[in-house]
Amino acid sequence: DSGVTQTPKHLITATGQRVTLRCSPRSGDLSVYWYQQSLDQGLQFLIQYYNGEERAKGNILERFSAQQFPDLHSELNLSSLELGDSALYFCASQLTSGLGETQYFGPGTRLLVL
Amino acid sequence: EDQVTQSPEALRLQEGESSSLNCSYTVSGLRGLFWYRQDPGKGPEFLFTLYSAGEEKEKERLKATLTKKESFLHITAPKPEDSATYLCAVQGYKAAGNKLTFGGGTRVLVKP
Repeated sequence: DSGVTQTPKHLITATGQRVTLRCSPRSGDLSVYWYQQSLDQGLQFLIQYYNGEERAKGNILERFSAQQFPDLHSELNLSSLELGDSALYFCASQLTSGLGETQYFGPGTRLLVL
Repeated sequence: EDQVTQSPEALRLQEGESSSLNCSYTVSGLRGLFWYRQDPGKGPEFLFTLYSAGEEKEKERLKATLTKKESFLHITAPKPEDSATYLCAVQGYKAAGNKLTFGGGTRVLVKP
């Protein structure tokens, strides 16, 4: 158990809908990263937050957005869902935003868009 | 842009049959190379971080090594519970937000 929690574990929805994925980092960790894992793309970085502020964006679609709240939990919002958005979404947390620190991953949310 | 290539894609081993997994990388100034283990449908589980060429780390039957261009994960006398996908990731000086760039992974199956 990494100490990172994610809810829900599974999500099934329809095209065009909007969903929210939630992540609670390890106690004391200030940085949260979101990654997407699909069969053909592997693990891809989406976005990073540090202590409530957005720090970096990766391959995140404009239909996707995220935020980190004062209690440091984070939410990833996915809207106008398409079939191709079906994937595993992972959150990872890190103590600070320093280079070389370990990122600890949560159990993931499996999203299926029908 | 940072790149990671892992080989082989899949590996079938008999219990006790030692082998090595390869992770080749290109990065603009390596700040860390990370190995994770991932079971089906689960999140990646941290194994090792290597920071500089020549460094080695061990944990039970696993040993990770690092050169300037690649890293190896050696599995000694594997057991069926070592079956998993092993992921390699790098973090470079210029990585946006200190993100990790992952390879495609090596799926390891250890048969009793």
